[in-house]
Amino acid sequence: AQSVSQHNHHVILSEAASLELGCNYSYGGTVNLFWYVQYPGQHLQLLLKYFSGDPLVKGIKGFEAEFIKSKFSFNLRKPSVQWSDTAEYFCAVNGPGNTGKLIFGQGTTLQVKP
Amino acid sequence: EAGVVQSPRYKIIEKKQPVAFWCNPISGHNTLYWYRQNLGQGPELLIRYENEEAVDDSQLPKDRFSAERLKGVDSTLKIQPAELGDSAVYLCASSSPLLSRNTEAFFGQGTRLTVV
Repeated sequence: AQSVSQHNHHVILSEAASLELGCNYSYGGTVNLFWYVQYPGQHLQLLLKYFSGDPLVKGIKGFEAEFIKSKFSFNLRKPSVQWSDTAEYFCAVNGPGNTGKLIFGQGTTLQVKP
Repeated sequence: EAGVVQSPRYKIIEKKQPVAFWCNPISGHNTLYWYRQNLGQGPELLIRYENEEAVDDSQLPKDRFSAERLKGVDSTLKIQPAELGDSAVYLCASSSPLLSRNTEAFFGQGTRLTVV
């Protein structure tokens, strides 16, 4: 069965620090990859997604992620975080094929100190 | 444009009681999903609908959980009877049609269920 692993459960950063959240998935075939964010009291929102093509994907609010097939990884990055980035971040995979089923990691809580 | 609407937002019930959650997807979205999110975990799919047909319910505990999507629009998820372990956030999402480069799954705010 497919699984998604997020290495960091809780990350604390100061404003302007760089962010990298790790995500690894278990399946070796064709997959689609996603990062979702959940701000306090709000619903899950899509940050970015990878389906094919350029492995470096740019999303909203200055986030980007790099798909490295050989490492089964899809790490999320942001060069300079803001206090408003405080949220919970979820990595998810949809595959093999396009079943519509998203398999989520356990999430990473990011706390940005002003 | 209205997003995915779920109600109620919060529900507290005693164990062994029934409970139902309602979801109104984004207009025109044929695919509807119910996920359950336990505390400190990511969401897990319970059931997926294509129009009114449940095409993936392999993760739905069928002894106590049921779902329906009459007319392929709104959906209801029911638990009867509820157990303490059912305490979680129940999320509804919709997309059109399936996930692709040009589509995404939109999530509602969820219903937080507490079973006491």
